[in-house]
Amino acid sequence: NAGVTQTPKFRVLKTGQSMTLLCAQDMNHEYMYWYRQDPGMGLRLIHYSVGEGTTAKGEVPDGYNVSRLKKQNFLLGLESAAPSQTSVYFCASSYAQGGDYGYTFGSGTRLTVV
Amino acid sequence: DQQVKQNSPSLSVQEGRISILNCDYTNSMFDYFLWYKKYPAEGPTFLISISSIKDKNEDGRFTVFLNKSAKHLSLHIVPSQPGDSAVYFCAADNNDMRFGAGTRLTVKP
Repeated sequence: NAGVTQTPKFRVLKTGQSMTLLCAQDMNHEYMYWYRQDPGMGLRLIHYSVGEGTTAKGEVPDGYNVSRLKKQNFLLGLESAAPSQTSVYFCASSYAQGGDYGYTFGSGTRLTVV
Repeated sequence: DQQVKQNSPSLSVQEGRISILNCDYTNSMFDYFLWYKKYPAEGPTFLISISSIKDKNEDGRFTVFLNKSAKHLSLHIVPSQPGDSAVYFCAADNNDMRFGAGTRLTVKP
């Protein structure tokens, strides 16, 4: 039972490069989320998806794009990386939205943009 | 705007004593509140939650208290154990989960 798997775990990018972070869940969850964690800021929602083929913006969507072509996968893309995108990125999934359904998080991707 | 605030970045307690982690929120529309625990190099894990219609929820050593009039909740851990040392995030949900900045708890043997 893998839960939520994120790849890669670490990455260093040069300013202007692009990359895609992959999130995969095997719990048949409808909802998936991408967060970034920065010191003193907690976790901030970038984008989320309420089902296959759907995406929506969160608190800090600028500079990122997402896709949910398959229910189990949620991809986060950076088209032109900037140093301000240096962060730890967490993917999460949940059975439902709202309520006391705790999210299941992946172990994170540490991204450094130089 | 930070709708969920954890004003104490760190807390240190002795093993066996009570740990109290605090959280304040500004949006009265939140209807569920959750606590997550995070170890280094791991993702947050769900710990305990409380509905806005309750004022207390208990699960073993963990109890969450909610004071709606003060827009304040707290997590009590009794007794604290060294394995509880982690970062604790408070979160509030109304179909849009918002997280606090976290409190690093250190439980000393």
